[in-house]
Amino acid sequence: KQEVTQIPAALSVPEGENLVLNCSFTDSAIYNLQWFRQDPGKGLTSLLLIQSSQREQTSGRLNASLDKSSGRSTLYIAASQPGDSATYLCAARLHGSGNTGKLIFGQGTTLQVKP
Amino acid sequence: GAGVSQSPRYKVTKRGQDVALRCDPISGHVSLYWYRQALGQGPEFLTYFNYEAQQDKSGLPNDRFSAERPEGSISTLTIQRTEQRDSAMYRCASSSYSSYNEQFFGPGTRLTVL
Repeated sequence: KQEVTQIPAALSVPEGENLVLNCSFTDSAIYNLQWFRQDPGKGLTSLLLIQSSQREQTSGRLNASLDKSSGRSTLYIAASQPGDSATYLCAARLHGSGNTGKLIFGQGTTLQVKP
Repeated sequence: GAGVSQSPRYKVTKRGQDVALRCDPISGHVSLYWYRQALGQGPEFLTYFNYEAQQDKSGLPNDRFSAERPEGSISTLTIQRTEQRDSAMYRCASSSYSSYNEQFFGPGTRLTVL
């Protein structure tokens, strides 16, 4: 059974700091991995999608990496800003026959960036 | 274009009542997913549709939960005889042709069962 874990559960950093959020998964047979941002009272915003054949994806100050062999993905946020404060979720999509495309989510890392 | 929409955004009901939650996916998206999210947790999969066909309902917790998508667009998640443990955020997502594509989520419906 695929399990996705995110560490740490919460993180507080001063503005301007570079930071890394971690995501680990138990089954390396994933099709892709997606990072989301969740703001209170709002939906999940898709940040980056990494296919299993890719090693990383970049969007602006965000960079996500994927290492299937070690069962890990990281989300790197450069020059953090108070507006980056939110909960970040990673989700793995399983590979193989019968896969319906359902995402297996981690519990999230709640980030606070202090001015 | 318009994103995924869900209604109502908030629903408060009494134990034992039936509720229907609606999801309107992004236009043209053939795949539609329902998830449930408890406070402080990540979303958990409930069910999945490809067009009007319900391809996977393995995540539905019991037979009080059902979902339909009769015309391959709007979907309804119905919970019969609600219980307090059903209280959660219910999220809907859609994706384009392939189920392997990026999923886009709606704002969710916050269900509270008193």
